Amino acid sequence: AQSVTQLDSQVPVFEEAPVELRCNYSSSVSVYLFWYVQYPNQGLQLLLKYLSGSTLVKGINGFEAEFNKSQTSFHLRKPSVHISDTAEYFCAVSETGGSYIPTFGRGTSLIVHP
Amino acid sequence: DVKVTQSSRYLVKRTGEKVFLECVQDMDHENMFWYRQDPGLGLRLIYFSYDVKMKEKGDIPEGYSVSREKKERFSLILESASTNQTSMYLCASTIAGVSSNTGELFFGEGSRLTVL
Repeated sequence: AQSVTQLDSQVPVFEEAPVELRCNYSSSVSVYLFWYVQYPNQGLQLLLKYLSGSTLVKGINGFEAEFNKSQTSFHLRKPSVHISDTAEYFCAVSETGGSYIPTFGRGTSLIVHP
Repeated sequence: DVKVTQSSRYLVKRTGEKVFLECVQDMDHENMFWYRQDPGLGLRLIYFSYDVKMKEKGDIPEGYSVSREKKERFSLILESASTNQTSMYLCASTIAGVSSNTGELFFGEGSRLTVL
């Protein structure tokens, strides 16, 4: 069975600064990886996903993530954040060839200060 | 675009009441899910369904039941609401099939339930 660890529950950052949200996973088989964003009082929407191929994945709103198989990580990055990036971010993993039901991390709250 | 609609965004109910949370998706997805979201705990799977009239328990099914009479609709039922069921409830759907399914979910806006 897979598991996901988001290492930071909260990340405060100033506007225009770079940010990295960390995600590590555990699985005995190949995986698909996802980052979702949740704005206040809304559902989750997909930011980006890794299915196969290039390990650097680009998503919406200037975010990108890098799949590192040896370190079982899928960290999310943005070179310059905006106030509007303030939200909850969830990392998720599903196993290829399995049930495809994803497991979610506990979330990281990104707080962007002016 | 996929649209997943949860009929009630905010509900306030009393302890012991029966509560129905409705979810409808318009993309002919086979798989549908109900999650519960609580601060610090992330998303926890309550139930999922991979076909009409089929259901499977997730990680926290106690105190909940579900109904899937039509492919597009998946309902979550709290038979007798309790205060510890105060939470945000999220419905999601995804396509089925080994070749096409990756685990990417499409979410509704959420239903925030308060039980007094």
